[in-house]
Amino acid sequence: SQQGEEDPQALSIQEGENATMNCSYKTSINNLQWYRQNSGRGLVHLILIRSNEREKHSGRLRVTLDTSKKSSSLLITASRAADTASYFCATVGFGGATNKLIFGTGTLLAVQP
Amino acid sequence: DAGITQSPRHKVTETGTPVTLRCHQTENHRYMYWYRQDPGHGLRLIHYSYGVKDTDKGEVSDGYSVSRSKTEDFLLTLESATSSQTSVYFCAISEGEGNTEAFFGQGTRLTVV
Repeated sequence: SQQGEEDPQALSIQEGENATMNCSYKTSINNLQWYRQNSGRGLVHLILIRSNEREKHSGRLRVTLDTSKKSSSLLITASRAADTASYFCATVGFGGATNKLIFGTGTLLAVQP
Repeated sequence: DAGITQSPRHKVTETGTPVTLRCHQTENHRYMYWYRQDPGHGLRLIHYSYGVKDTDKGEVSDGYSVSRSKTEDFLLTLESATSSQTSVYFCAISEGEGNTEAFFGQGTRLTVV
């Protein structure tokens, strides 16, 4: 089964509003990453947060990580129509080939203009 | 864009035939991955490689094999294609050694009829 599960599966908001997506995972991680996928395209890396970090910012993106709850959230502030895409969390674990990257099921975000 | 090329981009094949998808990179990254993407399942890891001739299974490896004889090429073979293998296949690469951000190819849409 997949390591990450995103919530909600789909989210529709108005331009200018904030969007929050959540990710839960099952086993200990080295880091957690968020990716975006525009329809029909490959995934694009957004941000990485390490297991010893609790919060990270990049532009309009804010990611939090709670390792005790095995969960992360991605906040997109002041959303734009161009933010419409699917968003995935991905985890990297420990041991073995440590760059094994496991993805969740994704959140489909629709930003209405 | 990171130097990743997937070929072919589209393929229709018949049930029972072998199929090989190719991923070629020009970044000299150590790690290469094959994922499949299906509605409701997000991205699922099929196989990955952590060096030349070093590969390991992912979450959904049954019916698939891989080979990596050169750093730049990672081949995914469907030994005997089935309709359940109709999917979009993505290749990804990452540098590794503490830098686990992945870069994705544009995907291969495979239809098994």
